[in-house]
Amino acid sequence: DGGITQSPKYLFRKEGQNVTLSCEQNLNHDAMYWYRQDPGQGLRLIYYSQIVNDFQKGDIAEGYSVSREKKESFPLTVTSAQKNPTAFYLCASGTGGPLGANVLTFGAGSRLTVL
Amino acid sequence: QKEVEQNSGPLSVPEGAIASLNCTYSDRGSQSFFWYRQYSGKSPELIMFIYSNGDKEDGRFTAQLNKASQYVSLLIRDSQPSDSATYLCAVSLMEYGNKLVFGAGTILRVKS
Repeated sequence: DGGITQSPKYLFRKEGQNVTLSCEQNLNHDAMYWYRQDPGQGLRLIYYSQIVNDFQKGDIAEGYSVSREKKESFPLTVTSAQKNPTAFYLCASGTGGPLGANVLTFGAGSRLTVL
Repeated sequence: QKEVEQNSGPLSVPEGAIASLNCTYSDRGSQSFFWYRQYSGKSPELIMFIYSNGDKEDGRFTAQLNKASQYVSLLIRDSQPSDSATYLCAVSLMEYGNKLVFGAGTILRVKS
C-alpha cells in the first residue's frame, strides 16, 4: 500500500538533546513537508522540499534542520536550539502541482515530549 | 502575513442535521482551498478541495467558495456522530510554491 511512514510515533527528549524524526513515502511524490501542531492550533510549516537535494524554510524553521538526499525520505532533526519542541509533528507529501493538484497526504505523526 | 481564520467552536449539531463550517482568508492571491478532517490524536485526512467559485459536492459534503468575499465553507448533510472531529481549512498560494496555510480548525460535535 502506498503511504507515508513516520517514526517513532512517540519520542521523549531531554533538554539539550537533538532528536531526528523519520519520514518515508512510497507515493512517488516530488514534494515533502514538515508541519508542527500545538494543542488547539492549526498546522504550522517548518520546512518543505520540492525536489531532491533542495529544501526551503517554512514559517517556523528556527531550531530545526532537514535533509532530502532521496526522493522517498525527508528526516527532520529537532535541535537543542528549539526552545519549545513539545508538539505533534506531521510529515506530508504532495505532487506539488498547480491549483488543486497539490493534495497533501499525511503520515500518522510523531509526538515529541521534552522531559 | 497570510492568515486563515476559522471559528474554533465547538459547533454542536444534532444527528441528521446540516453542519456548516466557515473559513475566511486574507490573501486574494489564494488559488486552492482544502478541507481536512482530523480526529483527536490522528493526522489530517482530505475531505475535498475546491478552486473555482461556486459549489462542489461529494457525497454528503459540499464545499462553497466565494473568492470576492474571501470565504470558503463546508456543509455536511445528514451529520453523523462519526463526523465529530476537528475540521481544518487550508489555503494554497501558488506564489509560495503551493504551500498550504492552515486555519486552527473548528471542532464539530454531532449529538445522537
